[in-house]
Amino acid sequence: DAGVIQSPRHEVTEMGQEVTLRCKPISGHNSLFWYRQTMMRGLELLIYFNNNVPIDDSGMPEDRFSAKMPNASFSTLKIQPSEPRDSAVYFCASSLAGGRASTDTQYFGPGTRLTVL
Amino acid sequence: GEDVEQSLFLSVREGDSSVINCTYTDSSSTYLYWYKQEPGAGLQLLTYIFSNMDMKQDQRLTVLLNKKDKHLSLRIADTQTGDSAIYFCAESLSTGGFKTIFGAGTRLFVKA
Repeated sequence: DAGVIQSPRHEVTEMGQEVTLRCKPISGHNSLFWYRQTMMRGLELLIYFNNNVPIDDSGMPEDRFSAKMPNASFSTLKIQPSEPRDSAVYFCASSLAGGRASTDTQYFGPGTRLTVL
Repeated sequence: GEDVEQSLFLSVREGDSSVINCTYTDSSSTYLYWYKQEPGAGLQLLTYIFSNMDMKQDQRLTVLLNKKDKHLSLRIADTQTGDSAIYFCAESLSTGGFKTIFGAGTRLFVKA
């Protein structure tokens, strides 16, 4: 299994530009999570989906952030317009959620390092 | 509310034991996890413990859970330089869907 795939691995953009991060979860997993990691704030949960439906988006910082999951094998996180304070590593994770620890385990992708100038 | 707290840094000498501590607030937590993040990579599950257990051992790793005090610890015996990483404590909530709350992570430095 290829694991969780994220693209791009690195993104450098200018303030005001639109940024789209992509994620392919592990096949068969029914939950998908987007996280943001910075030195100042640590690991923050932005949003998570279960069976392609957004369940909790309370961590999304503001309206500039949006996430979609059009099908079970693909999700995007979009920032429009981007700002320098959005610079962080963005992780996507997936799990087979079913109430047992072995299936609640989250499998993380390698992350996308975003730099907004 | 839901919160997981852990110290930010720990430094040990190679060969010593490392103990990383964590406190959590939600008494309904069903499972508690330790994840490891190596430089430039995502988090990876290291071990987990059910809330009805008080100890779990897995080779060099020992997890202790004090449910009364809501305290979780991870002990790494014979710490090696390859153990240098960030260690995240996390709790999986039994209510509110399939939400896992992560701590901020403890950065472990192992000195040769």
